[in-house]
Amino acid sequence: QSALTQPPSASGSPGQSVTISCTGTSSDVGGYNYVSWYQQHPGKAPKLMISEVNKRPSGVPDRFSGSKSGNTASLTVSGLQAEDEADYYCSSYAGSNSDVFGTGTKVTVL
Amino acid sequence: EVQLVESGGGLVQPGGSLGLSCAASGFTFSRYWMTWVRQAPGKGLEWVATIKQDGSGKYYVDSVKGRFTISRDNAKSSLYLQMNSLRAGDTAVYYCATVAAASTWDYWGQGTLVTVSS
Repeated sequence: QSALTQPPSASGSPGQSVTISCTGTSSDVGGYNYVSWYQQHPGKAPKLMISEVNKRPSGVPDRFSGSKSGNTASLTVSGLQAEDEADYYCSSYAGSNSDVFGTGTKVTVL
Repeated sequence: EVQLVESGGGLVQPGGSLGLSCAASGFTFSRYWMTWVRQAPGKGLEWVATIKQDGSGKYYVDSVKGRFTISRDNAKSSLYLQMNSLRAGDTAVYYCATVAAASTWDYWGQGTLVTVSS
């Protein structure tokens, strides 16, 4: 149950794209198509942005997209906006009814 | 409107116990698996425990096994987390959340802060 690995920070100018990676193992990210991404603003609860690798819940802008290759999942935010500045966490099913989160990435809009 | 409201947080000494509650409304509580997630101050999210709709299955992160117990009362639309033998490392904001699918939590409460300190 080790945390998934994310880069501590990422940044981009308004209108640009930023991609965040989430690296696990074949026992979690690589083994299941249950990878989700959460956005968290300071002092707020996390918000689901992507589920099952690449599904966007209702109300989430299509600027947010997800993908996976092997043991690494990715979240891409296109057309960065000021309100996208937040912490982002990936999560993955890890088998035996357990889940694991990533270490978190702080996205800064320059 | 879905609402999850946690309560019960506070200051507790190491080795002590505390019980958290999560009051749910706006959806059919008995149909959903539920989860507790915690976040230590300035740190990342950590999955803590999940419970099946009828309480027949309970699953925990290794670090809390034998010390924490997740439970629910579907008649009261409430989720609980009983925490015993608390340690400084358990200090965190504890969130309850609805399970939409594996590793997918679509509704979250606002969280309740638990501080373990002497």
